[in-house]
Amino acid sequence: GENVEQHPSTLSVQEGDSAVIKCTYSDSASNYFPWYKQELGKGPQLIIDIRSNVGEKKDQRIAVTLNKTAKHFSLHITETQPEDSAVYFCAALGLTGTASKLTFGTGTRLQVTL
Amino acid sequence: NAGVTQTPKFRVLKTGQSMTLLCAQDMNHEYMYWYRQDPGMGLRLIHYSVGEGTTAKGEVPDGYNVSRLKKQNFLLGLESAAPSQTSVYFCASRNKGLSSKNIQYFGAGTRLSVL
Repeated sequence: GENVEQHPSTLSVQEGDSAVIKCTYSDSASNYFPWYKQELGKGPQLIIDIRSNVGEKKDQRIAVTLNKTAKHFSLHITETQPEDSAVYFCAALGLTGTASKLTFGTGTRLQVTL
Repeated sequence: NAGVTQTPKFRVLKTGQSMTLLCAQDMNHEYMYWYRQDPGMGLRLIHYSVGEGTTAKGEVPDGYNVSRLKKQNFLLGLESAAPSQTSVYFCASRNKGLSSKNIQYFGAGTRLSVL
């Protein structure tokens, strides 16, 4: 099955700096890569996603890049703000049997300090 | 616009007790999922369902049972709770189809402690 590795597990940046979180996946058939943000006491919420036919996608301060050959994708947050502090999860969607399922990374706790 | 609703939000059980976690979605989604979240291990899939009356095992199904009697509800049961089942449980749902957005919407979670 699919295996997703995520690094780093914790990341501390100063407000205004950039943050980068990296993930690798194992199944070359995976074709959809979402990123979720989880705030304390809440469920994960989708913040950005990318499909395998696209190399980069941007939404305001957030961008995601995908390298299919190397099987890795990254989340980039620019001009970080205190409200960006949360746990971020990457995931990969593969086709297995009758339902495609997401496999999640182990999460990155981002702390934005003043 | 409730989305995905989980009940209860918190629960404490003694070893050997049973309980059922309820997930309800109002988005008419075909697919529903139950995950558990443990520190340092991310989200792991317990069971999932691709439609009313159908369920399938995920990555960590042992000790859990599920039922999908109605399209909008997905129940997760613990017949004999064990301390190893102390975790935060999340339910999610999404549209059917590969051409759809494939976004999974998550509930707010159920924090379960087994003593």
